[in-house]
Amino acid sequence: EVQLVQSGGGLVQPGGSLRLSCVASGFPFSTYWILWVRQAPGKGLEWVANINQDGGEKYYVDSVRGRFTISRDNAKNSLYLQMNSLRAEDTAVYYCARHGRLGDGFFDYWGQGALVTVSS
Amino acid sequence: DIQMTQSPSTLSASVGDRVSITCRASQSIDRWLAWYQQQPGKAPKVLIYKASTLESGVPSRFSGSGSGTEFTLTISSLQPADFAVYYCQQYKTYPYIFGQGTKLEIK
Repeated sequence: EVQLVQSGGGLVQPGGSLRLSCVASGFPFSTYWILWVRQAPGKGLEWVANINQDGGEKYYVDSVRGRFTISRDNAKNSLYLQMNSLRAEDTAVYYCARHGRLGDGFFDYWGQGALVTVSS
Repeated sequence: DIQMTQSPSTLSASVGDRVSITCRASQSIDRWLAWYQQQPGKAPKVLIYKASTLESGVPSRFSGSGSGTEFTLTISSLQPADFAVYYCQQYKTYPYIFGQGTKLEIK
């Protein structure tokens, strides 16, 4: 069974940092693109970043580029999102997800979500 | 960036109804479009990809159509579990963009 289990959410002050983690199981992690999507309270979905199988390709939405870093550790079947210089508008539930088979840009399995609240 | 616009924003319907949701792209995305369903407090679930391919395990009452800039998600006979929020998503180019969502509510 494919599973993505997230950890690392919480409350952080503006300008602070937080790292999200996502541990995968039930599929060959190192052969899939993986990504982060977020959802502000009561709002829609926003793709944040994704990373290819060996970590050599990374893409970010403009609003987080330079502040967030996506990374992966294939030996640990883990995906990470390092978030720095956090702003109130980064408050959201963050989901990790897996790209579809053949690297297609849709997302077929999702984590349970982790709430990040940026507030003083 | 490609913009994705869904209509309607809210749709009221009854169990057994046939309903359709439209998604329009600001430029052609060929058939690189997915549809998701999101229940309250849950992660989204993919229903359709490549505009019309049904994801494994998704009931056949869901169908997708369209290409280029206009796409449709149709539910042939609404079931109680179908009342949720639906999103389209383009994946032709970065940044991947979702539509704003359509809330399907019980009439």
